[in-house]
Amino acid sequence: QKEVEQNSGPLSVPEGAIASLNCTYSDRGSQSFFWYRQYSGKSPELIMFIYSNGDKEDGRFTAQLNKASQYVSLLIRDSQPSDSATYLCAVIVGGSYIPTFGRGTSLIVHP
Amino acid sequence: SQTIHQWPATLVQPVGSPLSLECTVEGTSNPNLYWYRQAAGRGLQLLFYSVGIGQISSEVPQNLSASRPQDRQFILSSKKLLLSDSGFYLCAWSTYQETQYFGPGTRLLVL
Repeated sequence: QKEVEQNSGPLSVPEGAIASLNCTYSDRGSQSFFWYRQYSGKSPELIMFIYSNGDKEDGRFTAQLNKASQYVSLLIRDSQPSDSATYLCAVIVGGSYIPTFGRGTSLIVHP
Repeated sequence: SQTIHQWPATLVQPVGSPLSLECTVEGTSNPNLYWYRQAAGRGLQLLFYSVGIGQISSEVPQNLSASRPQDRQFILSSKKLLLSDSGFYLCAWSTYQETQYFGPGTRLLVL
């Protein structure tokens, strides 16, 4: 059974700090990895996707993938109160079009 | 660019009443379409997915059904709602093995 695990949090960080969100997955056949942000009462919105081992940067966000250790992380630099949300990790196994979602990590950025 | 619409945005229905939620996608053809439910404080639960007109796969047996009468239209229905059907219903689309994009969602409260 495919599993995607995230710490539910909340993760609390001060404004301006780096927030580090982690996600582990069980299926070694996983090939596509996604991070979504979900504000309270709203639908998930895509932040980043990553397919290859290593880092991928987009503005203040960096996704890190380590397939050998089966984890993917999201770093948010210079965290802002507007980054306070739940962050969902999603994984797609090769040959599938059905993502498996983690239950999300709640992030609180306090001024 | 692609956009996804869902309506209604909110709905309050009595137990035992029927349900019809609609999702349409613009700007793409032959998308994969998905229905998810997110109960309060819970993760995303995949209900149905479709890879083409008239092709529906059910992930969770329950009193809900889905139909895809047109390429970019996906409908979620129920003949008799239960209290446990309350939640946030999300439609999403993707192309093969690529990112899922979510609609704005329908918040359903069954009383």
